[in-house]
Amino acid sequence: KAGVTQTPRYLIKTRGQQVTLSCSPISGHRSVSWYQQTPGQGLQFLFEYFSETQRNKGNFPGRFSGRQFSNSRSEMNVSTLELGDSALYLCASSSAVTGTDTQYFGPGTRLTVL
Amino acid sequence: AQKVTQAQTEISVVEKEDVTLDCVYETRDTTYYLFWYKQPPSGELVFLIRRNSFDEQNEISGRYSWNFQKSTSSFNFTITASQVVDSAVYFCALSAYTASKLTFGTGTRLQVTL
Repeated sequence: KAGVTQTPRYLIKTRGQQVTLSCSPISGHRSVSWYQQTPGQGLQFLFEYFSETQRNKGNFPGRFSGRQFSNSRSEMNVSTLELGDSALYLCASSSAVTGTDTQYFGPGTRLTVL
Repeated sequence: AQKVTQAQTEISVVEKEDVTLDCVYETRDTTYYLFWYKQPPSGELVFLIRRNSFDEQNEISGRYSWNFQKSTSSFNFTITASQVVDSAVYFCALSAYTASKLTFGTGTRLQVTL
């Protein structure tokens, strides 16, 4: 089975712009979660989508949003970018219908905000 | 609230040495999952193990072993006869039994040299 894929792998944006990141889960996985990794804050949970519905949400401002499509692919959007949004954004998928199952991560999208 | 503490920021060993990575967690949940992930320089988080809270059996997989002690809220990871390819950042993580959100520790950077 192919693993989790994320596009693009690298992005450079300027403050105030918006960005959309894409994640394709492992085939058959219906849960997709997003995490932000920064040197200062470490790995932090952004949100989880299951069957096109947001099931869990972390403590991030409303500038961070996401969605999931009927084929389980997910996108994450960050509006009005700030310098502090520079990070590695990791997507993970799992087969969890209810509760927790192992999350498998993609290679990440490295976002740089100038 | 959940919390994971990895007190060792960085460990350096010489190849073939054994090394133990510590993980201490806090949770009010009676059932939960614990995980270890490896993050090589490429950035992708690689799943190593999942353990649920009602299974305190230690586990061994090749050179890797895990010691789960509920009484001390610890889930330590030992690499026997370390190799250069083991060099990476290792994360311990915790999730509730019914929610996919992972709470990560700050990670331990392991450097294995010849």
